[in-house]
Amino acid sequence: GDSVTQMEGPVTLSEEAFLTINCTYTATGYPSLFWYVQYPGEGLQLLLKATKADDKGSNKGFEATYRKETTSFHLEKGSVQVSDSAVYFCALSDRNRGFKTIFGAGTRLFVKA
Amino acid sequence: EPEVTQTPSHQVTQMGQEVILRCVPISNHLYFYWYRQILGQKVEFLVSFYNNEISEKSEIFDDQFSVERPDGSNFTLKIRSTKLEDSAMYFCASSENWAGDQPQHFGDGTRLSIL
Repeated sequence: GDSVTQMEGPVTLSEEAFLTINCTYTATGYPSLFWYVQYPGEGLQLLLKATKADDKGSNKGFEATYRKETTSFHLEKGSVQVSDSAVYFCALSDRNRGFKTIFGAGTRLFVKA
Repeated sequence: EPEVTQTPSHQVTQMGQEVILRCVPISNHLYFYWYRQILGQKVEFLVSFYNNEISEKSEIFDDQFSVERPDGSNFTLKIRSTKLEDSAMYFCASSENWAGDQPQHFGDGTRLSIL
């Protein structure tokens, strides 16, 4: 079945460092891809999305490009802030595979001042 | 911006008791979902609901679970006889369209603790 694999955390960075969180997916169809963020004690918030190959999703300085050839959707940010500390979830949903979103295991990011 | 709201934020229940988790989806959304997240683990799909019936459910969603939309605004998850392993954060979500095109909007979750 469809699945999402993302790099294990935690990831610890200093403020202003470059961030990459790797995400790869397996899907038989043509999924939409998402990154969600979960701040401490809060729910899941959509960070960005891409619905077809080569689309780039971006928000709040984060971006990710839908790469069909490598089945990847890596999250990047050029300069992280302490306030970016959170858990990041890569996710997919596939119009041919029902009404649900499938999540990766999540990657915890700590940013030090 | 409209939000999905969930109540209570924390529920403590004795094993074997029934529990009802409540959600108010965004008002113009048509698709509703429940997910759970056991502490430190991934977010897992439980069930989706559209047009007053279940669209899809996972293997986790067994006979002990049920969902209902009792009126035009609430969407509930009932666990009939709770087990220790039901302890988790439960997230409600809604979307305007099916998940493929539109992202799901999540509530802040209900932390369920089974004693």
